[in-house]
Amino acid sequence: NAGVMQNPRHLVRRRGQEARLRCSPMKGHSHVYWYRQLPEEGLKFMVYLQKENIIDESGMPKERFSAEFPKEGPSILRIQQVVRGDSAAYFCASSPGGASGNTIYFGEGSWLTVV
Amino acid sequence: GENVEQHPSTLSVQEGDSAVIKCTYSDSASNYFPWYKQELGKGPQLIIDIRSNVGEKKDQRIAVTLNKTAKHFSLHITETQPEDSAVYFCAASLYNNNDMRFGAGTRLTVKP
Repeated sequence: NAGVMQNPRHLVRRRGQEARLRCSPMKGHSHVYWYRQLPEEGLKFMVYLQKENIIDESGMPKERFSAEFPKEGPSILRIQQVVRGDSAAYFCASSPGGASGNTIYFGEGSWLTVV
Repeated sequence: GENVEQHPSTLSVQEGDSAVIKCTYSDSASNYFPWYKQELGKGPQLIIDIRSNVGEKKDQRIAVTLNKTAKHFSLHITETQPEDSAVYFCAASLYNNNDMRFGAGTRLTVKP
């Protein structure tokens, strides 16, 4: 049973470019979360999605950031017009949700570097 | 919303000694408390979790204790080994509510 799959693992973007990070949840999981981790800091919640729905985006910056989890395909975190401060590790996690509870399993992360 | 505080931020122990990391939470309704281990350059891995209907849970060298009255829970690692060196995160949430909040992390170093 494959775990949470994220790609790319490492991404370099110039200021002003767009970054797209992809996440495929564990098999059987319908809930996806994105977290951001700055160097030497903790995990900051960004957004929680179910298929075709954003459930909680209270941790997302108001501008330039968006997330989706389409009916088919991976969840995507999109950062437009990146700035140096966006450089961080972005972790996707998934859980089965519902009566199975919310045990969260993380992927290996996508490291974004803005130059 | 839930607020989780974690102490200490760094912890250094000698190989073979025990390590204890403590967390407090603010929402008395929280009933699910997982612990994650994050090694350098990797994603957090779930190592143990506990629900509020039990006070303690063990898995080999790792144990977690929960005090609901005081709203704190702790991770205990016995007979530490160098491979236990990592950053450990605690978290709290309602089991059927996907609103999990994490502590700031503890960097554990086990010296050989």
